[in-house]
Amino acid sequence: AQSVTQLGSHVSVSEGALVLLRCNYSSSVPPYLFWYVQYPNQGLQLLLKYTTGATLVKGINGFEAEFKKSETSFHLTKPSAHMSDAAEYFCAVSGPLVGGGTSYGKLTFGQGTILTVHP
Amino acid sequence: NAGVTQTPKFRILKIGQSMTLQCTQDMNHNYMYWYRQDPGMGLKLIYYSVGAGITDKGEVPNGYNVSRSTTEDFPLRLELAAPSQTSVYFCASRSSGNTIYFGEGSWLTVV
Repeated sequence: AQSVTQLGSHVSVSEGALVLLRCNYSSSVPPYLFWYVQYPNQGLQLLLKYTTGATLVKGINGFEAEFKKSETSFHLTKPSAHMSDAAEYFCAVSGPLVGGGTSYGKLTFGQGTILTVHP
Repeated sequence: NAGVTQTPKFRILKIGQSMTLQCTQDMNHNYMYWYRQDPGMGLKLIYYSVGAGITDKGEVPNGYNVSRSTTEDFPLRLELAAPSQTSVYFCASRSSGNTIYFGEGSWLTVV
């Protein structure tokens, strides 16, 4: 079984400020973790993913996330927010296709966090 | 490389009508998924398939059916549309390298 909790359905920051979007997960198999961004009336775009290896993952648009197994967290950060970062962000967890039991690589999503960036 | 293609992009259905959302991928992926997205709820898994001829229910399968006669195609069928099925639907496929490809979404309104 797996689940994702995103802390804060809305986050508001000023342009140039640090962006921190929180994600905690639970998983009965080794987790693969993802962050997606969605702009209004558009599809999902992958920001970054963690599968194995280095726990600090760098993604597109200056975002990064760190997998912390002891804290079951995968928080998304960006040092300096831009107006163009305003969107909804989703954290997701899956098991691996191999060794993931019956998870079959199914993604379980958090409820999403809407990021607002103020001038 | 077209990736995952969904059709239609927009559709309005009347209550009780039926329709099929089409999903095709050209990457030879075995694993395919259908999700629905509702405001404030994230994405919920409707059905998934691990290969041609094999499908199974996800979290929210009621009111839907799927088939997987080929590796490429994974259509989602709504038999008797209800207002509760107003949603955005996403099809996805997953590579053996754990890259997940999403379609662009299908916006469905049931009135």
